[in-house]
Order: sequence, then C-alpha cells, then structure tokens
Amino acid sequence: DQQVKQNSPSLSVQEGRISILNCDYTNSMFDYFLWYKKYPAEGPTFLISISSIKDKNEDGRFTVFLNKSAKHLSLHIVPSQPGDSAVYFCAASRTVGTYKYIFGTGTRLKVLA
Amino acid sequence: GAVVSQHPSRVICKSGTSVKIECRSLDFQATTMFWYRQFPKQSLMLMATSNEGSKATYEQGVEKDKFLINHASLTLSTLTVTSAHPEDSSFYICSARARYGTGGSVQGETQYFGPGTRLLVL
Repeated sequence: DQQVKQNSPSLSVQEGRISILNCDYTNSMFDYFLWYKKYPAEGPTFLISISSIKDKNEDGRFTVFLNKSAKHLSLHIVPSQPGDSAVYFCAASRTVGTYKYIFGTGTRLKVLA
Repeated sequence: GAVVSQHPSRVICKSGTSVKIECRSLDFQATTMFWYRQFPKQSLMLMATSNEGSKATYEQGVEKDKFLINHASLTLSTLTVTSAHPEDSSFYICSARARYGTGGSVQGETQYFGPGTRLLVL
C-alpha cells in the first residue's frame, strides 16, 4: 500500500519557467511533509517542509503548497534552472511517535537550457 | 546544513560475508537515525529506526537478524548486513533526525541524509 504517491515519474521544463511537482497521500494522520532532491548515487538533500497547520511555505525559489482536504501537496520551483535537474521525492510524517518518513516514488525533473 | 557521513561509500563482497556500514552525524547529535534501502529507480524504503541506547525498531518484512543495527553514541549508528547474499545488493542510505533553523530559532525538524553506500554482493 503506497501511502505517498508521485504519479508523474518525469517532468521536463524549460529554463526560467515554473516547475510544478505533485504528491498525493492517503493517510490523514500525516501532519508534516517534506521535499527532498536527489542526484544519482547520492543521499537526498532536504529542500523544504510544511506543517499541516499551514497551507503554504516559501523558501527562495521553492514553495510548497498543502491542500489537506485533497490530501495533496505540490512543490513549485520558479524560475527553474538546469541545476535543478534531479529526482524529487516528497515525504510524509506524523509528528508523534517515531517521526519516520514515508517517501513517494519520486519525480525526475529535467530543466532544459 | 547539517552533515551526515557514511562509510564506506562503496563495497564489494563475497556471498556469505558480513559488511558493516557506518553512519555519522558530524556537527550535531542525533538521538534518532534511520536506515533506508533504495533499489534502482524506486523510492527510499525505510528499513529501521535506530535510537541511541536502545534497540532498533524494524519495519515489517525487514529481518532484524540479517540487518543488525547498533546506535552506540549520539553521533554514530552502524548497519551490519550479515551473511550477505546477491539479493542484498542495493544502495543503503542513513539519515539523522535534527532540528533546523537560523538565528537561533527552530523552524522545523528534518532528516539529514548521508551520501549512501553502494553494496554489491558477488
């Protein structure tokens, strides 16, 4: 049972345009969400997080939106840069208990110069 | 940001041998570390949660006698793959739970990941 889903395995965007990566979850108990960026043969790098008490969090070029009723979150990157090309994972967690993260399957973003 | 190291970065071993992977938090103390496994083009799958000074908590389907975890200090957790077989070949990644923020204020908590260890069992 995949509790966190990223339905788009890949996405191509022109440099300078907006990249929108989507993530859906099924467990309504999740209350903390994160986005990670990963290059091949490296560990994931933390990008941005959001608590369920918010619906938006912004950090530079990265903005995460959370729609709790739809159990959906998205990551917006604007403007997109070639260096943003990587695999992006969303993760969900509960802030009680073990804080373990459940990761989505990832979306490969390619930013075209 | 916080730094987590893993050693070795790559290991090739013969079937039946044991392999130890170290995970260190270099500039912060981590009471909780996590071990993940990633197969090619798939997501990170949590194997176990490692708590300093206590036994690890394993996810369903992960053999605790096969994957031994020791969280001996606040900066070190080790994963030992015992009697490794070719099907254990994978990319193993650890993470350390930490709080983050700037200017002395805590903005949230996250896991900082190590660079991963590529294990190939022949």
